[in-house]
Amino acid sequence: DAKTTQPTSMDCAEGRAANLPCNHSTISGNEYVYWYRQIHSQGPQYIIHGLKNNETNEMASLIITEDRKSSTLILPHATLRDTAVYYCIVRVNNDMRFGAGTRLTVKP
Amino acid sequence: DSGVTQTPKHLITATGQRVTLRCSPRSGDLSVYWYQQSLDQGLQFLIQYYNGEERAKGNILERFSAQQFPDLHSELNLSSLELGDSALYFCASSPRLEEWNNEQFFGPGTRLTVL
Repeated sequence: DAKTTQPTSMDCAEGRAANLPCNHSTISGNEYVYWYRQIHSQGPQYIIHGLKNNETNEMASLIITEDRKSSTLILPHATLRDTAVYYCIVRVNNDMRFGAGTRLTVKP
Repeated sequence: DSGVTQTPKHLITATGQRVTLRCSPRSGDLSVYWYQQSLDQGLQFLIQYYNGEERAKGNILERFSAQQFPDLHSELNLSSLELGDSALYFCASSPRLEEWNNEQFFGPGTRLTVL
């Protein structure tokens, strides 16, 4: 039973911002939203996480709606190396439940 | 490079056999997690250890077991292997025990093929 819903795939032009949406309408008050990505069959790479406030780091920005029912991961200037599967995860106890994610393809 | 190392990178074995996968966490990280990624199941959490103690269990089969040693490295033991155990096995480590606010750093994985 997935707690998040993401589009199956998205395209983005190189140099443009990539905005990846995620719905998590049943999120609980103490559950964080995490984003990871996986390039080919490499180990998933941590991107960012947040609880209520918007967050920014050197990789991306995370925008969480006020009701916390959805969020958007923003890659401000996508490059070809950002092509990957992006996972939006709501923490459930001690494990992270990875869904199918969004396959982002950055095109030249 | 996440700082998490896993050996071996590839492992090919036969049904019924037993294998051991090894993971060294990032320096200073006390928590180790194991995940399995197969084509039809996606990425699934198996088990977590913190400072040598089992902390949480996910979808880990009884044929599988793990441990974390005093030097914090961890081993995942898979026995009575079946064709369906063929998968990528990832180890991750994290710096804190707090479960909700705790990023995990993944290793490069071990690809297991059971013939």
